[in-house]
Amino acid sequence: GAVVSQHPSRVICKSGTSVKIECRSLDFQATTMFWYRQFPKKSLMLMATSNEGSKATYEQGVEKDKFLINHASLTLSTLTVTSAHPEDSSFYICSARDEYWGGTGELFFGEGSRLTVL
Amino acid sequence: KQEVTQIPAALSVPEGENLVLNCSFTDSAIYNLQWFRQDPGKGLTSLLLIQSSQREQTSGRLNASLDKSSGRSTLYIAASQPGDSATYLCAVRQWYFGNEKLTFGTGTRLTIIP
Repeated sequence: GAVVSQHPSRVICKSGTSVKIECRSLDFQATTMFWYRQFPKKSLMLMATSNEGSKATYEQGVEKDKFLINHASLTLSTLTVTSAHPEDSSFYICSARDEYWGGTGELFFGEGSRLTVL
Repeated sequence: KQEVTQIPAALSVPEGENLVLNCSFTDSAIYNLQWFRQDPGKGLTSLLLIQSSQREQTSGRLNASLDKSSGRSTLYIAASQPGDSATYLCAVRQWYFGNEKLTFGTGTRLTIIP
């Protein structure tokens, strides 16, 4: 199946710093990527929909100035957690939909990034 | 508002048994439904995708069915193995005013006992 690569898998940072997480679709092009946050033993919470070449669409309650999303190409989207605080510590997962040029529409996920803010 | 429920929340079965996981959704106007598995601390792995016009999909020991009118999907796992232990999630895709909406179920934590 298609592969979505997410990097870094783990990151520890000090409070007040910014952290960037990358999401790449390795063998397909994705006009749409999604960013999720997952709390322990909970399902995924959609944070935003990342659209190539345009502004991301944020879910209600998600601060767009706090979680900056850039989808600069058909294979790369980035999530930057700005001025991170301990409450931002979480598991962040991206996904990409294989729907460009006859793709199946199947959704593929990255391996996730564990962010710990000290 | 779409609500997706998975029953049971947790399931333990001996190795070798066949089992069924359930997924129900309240709004039947879906575009497709996808089943995933998630291992602890990992991302999601796609298992099966069923388009709204399809009734079932099969991959190896897995078979997923879809009854859109009743708002139900099942994931059948044959001859279960310890490696099948994971959390299984279903997700439905919809379109609202030109925007995509993906709603995940609550998940079923499956444990296969060797």
